[in-house]
Formats: sequence, C-alpha cells, structure tokens
Amino acid sequence: AQSVTQPDIHITVSEGASLELRCNYSYGATPYLFWYVQSPGQGLQLLLKYFSGDTLVQGIKGFEAEFKRSQSSFNLRKPSVHWSDAAEYFCAVRMNKLTFGKGTLLTVNP
Amino acid sequence: KAGVTQTPRYLIKTRGQQVTLSCSPISGHRSVSWYQQTPGQGLQFLFEYFSETQRNKGNFPGRFSGRQFSNSRSEMNVSTLELGDSALYLCASSFLAGMDEQFFGPGTRLTVL
Repeated sequence: AQSVTQPDIHITVSEGASLELRCNYSYGATPYLFWYVQSPGQGLQLLLKYFSGDTLVQGIKGFEAEFKRSQSSFNLRKPSVHWSDAAEYFCAVRMNKLTFGKGTLLTVNP
Repeated sequence: KAGVTQTPRYLIKTRGQQVTLSCSPISGHRSVSWYQQTPGQGLQFLFEYFSETQRNKGNFPGRFSGRQFSNSRSEMNVSTLELGDSALYLCASSFLAGMDEQFFGPGTRLTVL
C-alpha cells in the first residue's frame, strides 16, 4: 500500500531563514506527488506538483520541491521564510486516491 | 473561475442522527473526492466520484455514502452518527479522475455531541 512519511511533526524557523520540509513516499512506481498547505480552519491549498520531467519543480509563494527517485523523497524548500508561511504542510501522493502524510506544522518566529 | 464550495461550513449533530454534506466542484471538473480530517487519523480518503459513478472507496464503514449528480455536484451522507465522526470533511475536485491534481474546498466542520 502506498504511504507517505513526513518525519518532522513540528518545525520552528526564524523569519528570513531557509526552510526544508521532508517527505518520503513508499510506492512501487513513481506516483504523482504534491505539496499542500493548510491554514487553521481552512481547506488545503495546492503549492506544487510533480508528474514527470524536471525533478525540481517551482510552486506558488516562492516554494520549490525536488524529486529524488533514488531516495523516494520529495522535499519542500523555501530560501527565505515569511511570517505568513506559518501553517501546516502536507505531502501527498496520488495513485487513484490521494494519500497524505501526517503533516508538518511550521512556526515562524519574528 | 470559482473554487470548490462546500455547504454547510459548520454543523452540529447528536449521536444517532444522519447528516448530508454538499460539494460543488470547480466548473468543468467532473471528479469529486471526499476526505475526512481528524487530529488523530489525519487526512483519510473516503471516496471518489467521476461522471456520477463511484470510482474508488476508502476504508470507511457503510454508514458513509455519497453520490454525484449530472452537474458534477456531490453529496456525502453519514448515517447513525457517532462521536468519532466529528471531523473536518473536505471535498476536492479535479478535471480527471485517478491521477489529476485536486483542488480543495474550505471543508465542513461536523461536530457530533
């Protein structure tokens, strides 16, 4: 069965610092990969996706993610975090249904 | 283009009752999926509908059911509510079923007392 692991439950960074959120997936083939962000009480907003091709994908709000097939990873990065980036981030894989990781809560210190 | 809309946004029910939630997908999208989000279990897939047919189903009891109408709008129903059904129910739409990117609505917060 497909699974997604986000090893970090909670990450705290200072505003302006760089950010990397980790995601590993387990699946026989390369699934479609996504990162979503959720603010409190809100639905999920799609940040970026990987279907095929270039392994470095750009998303909205200055986020990017790199797909590494050998490591079954799809880590999310941002060079400089803004206070408004504080939210919960979910990595997901899709092969018929979306399977989500447990999420990483990001706190941004001023 | 309007996003995915869900009604109602908040709902309070008591154990044993039933509830119906509604979802209107993005215009042109024919696939609608439902997810349950709880603090303990996280985001879990309920089912997906495409062209009025259920294409995929998650591991939920038969009390959870859904349907899709010819205009792609979808409803999900939960019968005989239990306390553990308290959750945020999210609807997502996509143009295609199975592999396409999904866009989420704001969710319906269901509280079962």
